[in-house]
Amino acid sequence: AQKVTQAQTEISVVEKEDVTLDCVYETRDTTYYLFWYKQPPSGELVFLIRRNSFDEQNEISGRYSWNFQKSTSSFNFTITASQVVDSAVYFCALRWSLTGGGNKLTFGTGTQLKVEL
Amino acid sequence: GAVVSQHPSRVICKSGTSVKIECRSLDFQATTMFWYRQFPKQSLMLMATSNEGSKATYEQGVEKDKFLINHASLTLSTLTVTSAHPEDSSFYICSARPPTGGLETQYFGPGTRLLVL
Repeated sequence: AQKVTQAQTEISVVEKEDVTLDCVYETRDTTYYLFWYKQPPSGELVFLIRRNSFDEQNEISGRYSWNFQKSTSSFNFTITASQVVDSAVYFCALRWSLTGGGNKLTFGTGTQLKVEL
Repeated sequence: GAVVSQHPSRVICKSGTSVKIECRSLDFQATTMFWYRQFPKQSLMLMATSNEGSKATYEQGVEKDKFLINHASLTLSTLTVTSAHPEDSSFYICSARPPTGGLETQYFGPGTRLLVL
């Protein structure tokens, strides 16, 4: 079964703290893609990162970093020195292939991040 | 990056009426568009996959006669909620995939909030 688990429903931090959002996935595919999206209160999904299953290099983009560990099927997301503008719901997603062609995007249940002053 | 728009952004309607939501890819041609539904504080659930010029593929449990999808051109897909009921109130999000850029590419619209009274 293809599944994405975000065990943290809600996280509250104080501004400037570092915070890690967990994502664990399940898939039978050997080739797949993992994503993180940000959904601010306005509702629009903002693409953050895409990682394919063959690329286990960790990535850093400004205050954001991602740790992809295939051995534990995890793709965790860390925000360094969090800011109030980081407050949003963050979704982890898995793109996997359908038998017979095509693919699907399965989302986790999201983690609500609240950054307070 | 690629832009996808949705119209309207918010709609309130009476029970029993039909509501049409448009999804447009503004700067690319989308051979495939996806329709998602998101209940408050929940994840995005794929409703259907819409391919230009052919019938949409609906996910299990989604009534195709209730949620009519038309993908008449490479830049426009419409979702019509027929005979809407209060339980159809939700946040509907579309995404579009360009023919180039890889199968993992999907650009999301800003969403449409539907409230059925």
